[in-house]
Formats: sequence, structure tokens, C-alpha cells
Amino acid sequence: ETGVTQSPTHLIKTRGQQVTLRCSSQSGHNTVSWYQQALGQGPQFIFQYYREEENGRGNFPPRFSGLQFPNYSSELNVNALELDDSALYLCASSGGLDPTQYFGPGTRLTVL
Amino acid sequence: GEDVEQSLFLSVREGDSSVINCTYTDSSSTYLYWYKQEPGAGLQLLTYIFSNMDMKQDQRLTVLLNKKDKHLSLRIADTQTGDSAIYFCAEKGSTDKLIFGTGTRLQVFP
Repeated sequence: ETGVTQSPTHLIKTRGQQVTLRCSSQSGHNTVSWYQQALGQGPQFIFQYYREEENGRGNFPPRFSGLQFPNYSSELNVNALELDDSALYLCASSGGLDPTQYFGPGTRLTVL
Repeated sequence: GEDVEQSLFLSVREGDSSVINCTYTDSSSTYLYWYKQEPGAGLQLLTYIFSNMDMKQDQRLTVLLNKKDKHLSLRIADTQTGDSAIYFCAEKGSTDKLIFGTGTRLQVFP
């Protein structure tokens, strides 16, 4: 069974740029959730995708957007990057009767 | 509103038991989780408990849930240096999103 993978591992961008982060869900899972974890904080829910449709969104502005593909992998896009977007971005997959979300290793984004 | 609170630090001697506490506010919580995060890594699921249970044991881990007081605890028996990490409590309510606490940093000393 393949676990959740994320790419890239690290990324450095400058203010105003755009970034795309990628996540491959665990085999058999059809739901992907994205979280932002600022330094010293707990993860904050960004949004969730279920069968290619957005299925809930947290308190994040519209410049945070996402996609889910037919193979259930997912992308997180952030436009007009701000310094406060610097964080660890975590993707989690879930599905079936298991109530658990399984997390990937994260992408560390630094905005300069 | 939805809020999850944890104490920030816990320091224990190797071989002792650790107890990490968490309180939450959402009365519609369905599941509550404990995740472990090591430096620079993602979140590793340790265990979870359904909201109609009051205790769950899994090897060295014991989870206690007091739904009336909205209090969750994680006890780690025979704590080892490899248990040093940040532990997050999370709850899932009527939606599928997880609400996390700020994490408790557990330090285990010899």
C-alpha cells in the first residue's frame, strides 16, 4: 500500500509569485484535505476535495485554490504569495469506512 | 465555535508515564485523534477514539475521553527518548475537517 506523497519537499518563492503544490493520495482513498501549518502552530484546514469536487473550505482567501484529478491526486495553488504564506503545507487522504486522515510529509514553503 | 486547547510543554523521565491533555469545545465531535510530529516531518497518526467511547488502549497508549467535560487525554506508558516529539490532539465534528490544537512538546530525558 502506497502512502501519501507530496512534492516538492521545499520551495522558496518571492512575494507576489504563484505556487503549485502536489499530493498523491493513498491507494484506495478518494478524499484529499489540505492544511497549512505555520511555525509553532497546529495545522489549519484549507479545503477538502472529494471525487474531484470541493467539499468544504476553511477560513482562507480565494487566492488559495485547488484541484483534484480523476486518479484522486490533488494540487494546491496559491496566487499572489504573501510573507505570511510561509508554512508547512500538509496534504491528507482518507476514504471508505476508515475515519482517519493520513498525512503526507508536507511541503515547506518559504516566501521572501 | 470550534477550538482545541493543549498545554505547550511536558517533560518526563525515561521509563515514566506521560499524560498529555486536551480540551475541545465542539459538542458535535464524532472522532478525536492523537497525532505525533517529529521535527521537519508530517503528522503520524497514533490513535483515535469514537465519541461514544470513554477509553481506548493500544499497546503503550491509553486514550481517555470525558465527553461531558470535553476533555481528552493520551497516556504513554514507559516513555522512551524516541517518544520525544510534538503531540497534536484533533477533533472531527459534523464536517470532515480536522480541528487541531497547538500541540504539546514532549521532552523525555534519561
